[in-house]
Amino acid sequence: SQKIEQNSEALNIQEGKTATLTCNYTNYSPAYLQWYRQDPGRGPVFLLLIRENEKEKRKERLKVTFDTTLKQSLFHITASQPADSATYLCALDMSQGDDKIIFGKGTRLHILP
Amino acid sequence: NAGVTQTPKFQVLKTGQSMTLQCAQDMNHNSMYWYRQDPGMGLRLIYYSASEGTTDKGEVPNGYNVSRLNKREFSLRLESAAPSQTSVYFCASSERGSNYGYTFGSGTRLTVV
Repeated sequence: SQKIEQNSEALNIQEGKTATLTCNYTNYSPAYLQWYRQDPGRGPVFLLLIRENEKEKRKERLKVTFDTTLKQSLFHITASQPADSATYLCALDMSQGDDKIIFGKGTRLHILP
Repeated sequence: NAGVTQTPKFQVLKTGQSMTLQCAQDMNHNSMYWYRQDPGMGLRLIYYSASEGTTDKGEVPNGYNVSRLNKREFSLRLESAAPSQTSVYFCASSERGSNYGYTFGSGTRLTVV
């Protein structure tokens, strides 16, 4: 079965630097990959979706890459701010012809002022 | 505001009691989901509904039942609550093929004593 690994449970980054989070998967290449943000006590919020035929997607200070050869996605936040501190979740479609996705356990990002 | 509404936000049950978690979405999405989130385990799919009148088991369905009452509403029932069902429960919805991922509710924090 598909497994998702996010590089670390927690990551500390100095304000103003670029934060890079990693998502690796083990088996089949998904048709698409998603990234979510989750704040304490709240539900995840969708950020970006990247499809298998796309190498890169951007939204404001966010950038996602998708490398099907490495079976990896990288999520970048440029010019990071303390308000970017949250848990970030990677999710992959299960390639079963429906909308079901599986989530990684997330990386807690702390932006230090 | 458009979105996914879950009730209740908090609940304490005694072992063996039953309850229903309610979920409604106003985005006209076909797909709806119930997840549970536990520390160190990430989000795990309990049940899924691809459309009104259909439901499928997810990764952890034991001890739960669901009803897709109509396109808007998807409820989760615990018939005989157990301490292992202490968790945070999230409902979500999506539209197949969309570039906008899942929309999550704010969650129900359930404690079974």
